[in-house]
Amino acid sequence: AQKVTQAQTEISVVEKEDVTLDCVYETRDTTYYLFWYKQPPSGELVFLIRRNSFDEQNEISGRYSWNFQKSTSSFNFTITASQVVDSAVYFCALSEAMDSNYQLIWGAGTKLIIKP
Amino acid sequence: EPEVTQTPSHQVTQMGQEVILRCVPISNHLYFYWYRQILGQKVEFLVSFYNNEISEKSEIFDDQFSVERPDGSNFTLKIRSTKLEDSAMYFCASSEAWQGDYEQYFGPGTRLTVT
Repeated sequence: AQKVTQAQTEISVVEKEDVTLDCVYETRDTTYYLFWYKQPPSGELVFLIRRNSFDEQNEISGRYSWNFQKSTSSFNFTITASQVVDSAVYFCALSEAMDSNYQLIWGAGTKLIIKP
Repeated sequence: EPEVTQTPSHQVTQMGQEVILRCVPISNHLYFYWYRQILGQKVEFLVSFYNNEISEKSEIFDDQFSVERPDGSNFTLKIRSTKLEDSAMYFCASSEAWQGDYEQYFGPGTRLTVT
């Protein structure tokens, strides 16, 4: 079974639109961490955010915001007023202590295309 | 800002050859990781390493793979006899500690092409 599911394979929007990338996770651990990474066309992995399982407070960083809801096991990522430079593949990842020694378990990624 | 470096950026090799991918983790970090990403697919965990030994490995990390910290700065991934399906981007990462609230810092990756 998938531990991290990013159901949206590809999203295409026009610049300045808001866009939300979905992430649903599965874990038996009570202590775990959730991450978002950006992978631009150049290929590197850029860390965006880390959230631990005890902190359900939503976070906003500029045009980026994250909505963590344990009740639905979701950690969604919203880009407000999207820009062409936001075009990338975005990965959600889970890190859990039980059975995995905090390795990162990755979702399949969502390719985001921002059209000018 | 300290960063993880990887060399080479691109390696082309023939099937059956051995390759060594090199990483220099951030100097005060103690935990090291290798991940791979087959083109167009998700990132997959290969192995974690601490205190000069493997602490965790995935089922991908079979006998043809090995890791080593040959000196105080390098962390290497060796593939003994490469196969076509080993073609992927290989990412090295390091962290100060292994708990999840310590960020894993990623290198820029090595693109391995097996022909």
